Amino acid sequence: AQSVTQLGSHVSVSEGALVLLRCNYSSSVPPYLFWYVQYPNQGLQLLLKYTTGATLVKGINGFEAEFKKSETSFHLTKPSAHMSDAAEYFCAGGFKTGANNLFFGTGTRLTVIP
Amino acid sequence: NAGVTQTPKFQVLKTGQSMTLQCAQDMNHEYMSWYRQDPGMGLRLIHYSVGAGITDQGEVPNGYNVSRSTTEDFPLRLLSAAPSQTSVYFCASSRGVSGELFFGEGSRLTVL
Repeated sequence: AQSVTQLGSHVSVSEGALVLLRCNYSSSVPPYLFWYVQYPNQGLQLLLKYTTGATLVKGINGFEAEFKKSETSFHLTKPSAHMSDAAEYFCAGGFKTGANNLFFGTGTRLTVIP
Repeated sequence: NAGVTQTPKFQVLKTGQSMTLQCAQDMNHEYMSWYRQDPGMGLRLIHYSVGAGITDQGEVPNGYNVSRSTTEDFPLRLLSAAPSQTSVYFCASSRGVSGELFFGEGSRLTVL
């Protein structure tokens, strides 16, 4: 079955520390992959996406993610956390079914400690 | 730019009542969808549409109806509300397959 799994429902980092949020997908065919961010009481906004081509994807706000087919992973990183990064992050996969239906992970809430 | 607009933002219903969540987009996107967000479960697809007059079921369609008479609008109808439908509902749209999904700000529904 096609699915996206996020490891860790809560992650805490100190301000200035590395942010690493984990995402793995389950599919024999590499999917389209996305990271979305959700701030309190708001909708989701796109951080970055992987469709084809370069496996290291750069997004907004200093985030990036690397697509690793051998590990079926698409982990999100940021070298130095900022207080404004505190939010919930969702990994999502589109499995090329002919419609733009995304399968979402269960989310990771990032807390940044001053 | 309005993007994706959802109304109402908050609604409280009693069990058995019906209501419609409205969704409109002004980006001329072919694809529209409805998700529900529940704690610890991420977002789950309810229904989607790939164009006017075409709708299909997602992962959790039971208890919900949709229609797509125009490109811009994609309302979600709850026929007989149940407490299990207490959730935050998001409408999203995109230009096509693999395109970025643009989300509305959500509609928080409580069913008593």
